[in-house]
Amino acid sequence: QSALTQPASVSGPPGQSITISCSGTSSDVGGYYYVSWYQQHPGKAPKLIIYEVSNRPSGVSNRFSGSKSGNTASLTISGLQAEDEADYYCSSYTSSSTLLFGGGTKLTVL
Amino acid sequence: EVKLLESGGGLEQPGGSLRLSCAASGFSFSRYAMSWVRQAPGKGLEWVSSISGSGGSIYYADSVKGRFTISRDNSENTVSLQMNSLRGEDTAVYYCAKGRLEAAVFVEFGMDVWGQGTTVTVPS
Repeated sequence: QSALTQPASVSGPPGQSITISCSGTSSDVGGYYYVSWYQQHPGKAPKLIIYEVSNRPSGVSNRFSGSKSGNTASLTISGLQAEDEADYYCSSYTSSSTLLFGGGTKLTVL
Repeated sequence: EVKLLESGGGLEQPGGSLRLSCAASGFSFSRYAMSWVRQAPGKGLEWVSSISGSGGSIYYADSVKGRFTISRDNSENTVSLQMNSLRGEDTAVYYCAKGRLEAAVFVEFGMDVWGQGTTVTVPS
């Protein structure tokens, strides 16, 4: 199964908002509300920042928000800060009872 | 504090075997599904395998099915990944991760705790 489709890179200046898309099919993103987002800084383990499309774990900034429309999920980061510079990955449950990750998006804060 | 600590990585020749282990602490281990996720050098995350809290439900990615075996020992709070018939494309950092939702048999609800990873290298 191919990875979910994410843009390779996005960028924005501090204070602005950016959105990262995650495109799949009706067998994964479109079929379930089980989309998660992970943030990964260089050399570090991934960190869960959004689960079940739009929910934030305790301790995650409310500047991070998630949504889904059809076969595409989105992560929005508002009020960009320097520490947001990282790689971001979406994941989705699939109809094959597996988990599929996106290819990852590198966020640069200009 | 909730912690996961992986071990067992190393250099292995193609066709060889390695056994990864993940020691968990700080939570009711048997009540949570656990997963292995890998990341090849410079590449993205790839889900490898998951196991339910009881060990009764097991899931694999097609890329490792038939070669890797996940297991857990709830008396020792450990989850393991036996990797056989290793290939160059198995070279990666392997992370152990905890499912977020108690009593869920899979990790579709997110993985909220990750270990620091252990590196597996298989020359191609």
